[in-house]
Amino acid sequence: DVKVTQSSRYLVKRTGEKVFLECVQDMDHENMFWYRQDPGLGLRLIYFSYDVKMKEKGDIPEGYSVSREKKERFSLILESASTNQTSMYLCASSLVQGDTKQYFGPGTRLTVT
Amino acid sequence: DAKTTQPTSMDCAEGRAANLPCNHSTISGNEYVYWYRQIHSQGPQYIIHGLKNNETNEMASLIITEDRKSSTLILPHATLRDTAVYYCIVDPPSGYALNFGKGTSLLVTP
Repeated sequence: DVKVTQSSRYLVKRTGEKVFLECVQDMDHENMFWYRQDPGLGLRLIYFSYDVKMKEKGDIPEGYSVSREKKERFSLILESASTNQTSMYLCASSLVQGDTKQYFGPGTRLTVT
Repeated sequence: DAKTTQPTSMDCAEGRAANLPCNHSTISGNEYVYWYRQIHSQGPQYIIHGLKNNETNEMASLIITEDRKSSTLILPHATLRDTAVYYCIVDPPSGYALNFGKGTSLLVTP
């Protein structure tokens, strides 16, 4: 079974802090994704990556950056956390380009105070 | 993108079949229909997908109408652990971002 793991289930940070969310997948998938999920807004794509060192903006990239130095690892960075970034963050991966079958991690519930 | 329409919520008694409908009347000929679910406080989980023919796996069955404008996900013997939000998704043209929409909140009751 594909396993997607995220570094933390719960995280509390202060406004202005730099925050790193890590995601690792163990099935040699090409594509990796970061979503955020908020009540009433569903899942929204922040960034995705289809190869090492490649990244593409999703629907809501403002305030975020990403890093993919190795195929199995995709990091989401909040350069200066703000309270409106309090959310559930979900990482996902898929095998190849165009593959709609995505495997999700358990999520990180981030609270920015 | 082909849009999907699902009921907001449904109830089902434990042990009975849960039939979750989805309308996707603008679906294109080569677009697949995917179903995911999300149990509370967990990440979404892939269930099943199909193009034209009905599909079945260990989790569920997918019935797609002949005109492909709607589909039904069937959980044959619902359990309490099937309580979740179920999302019907059509292949995004970009091939990347999944548009989950609001989904159907299924409550399985004892």
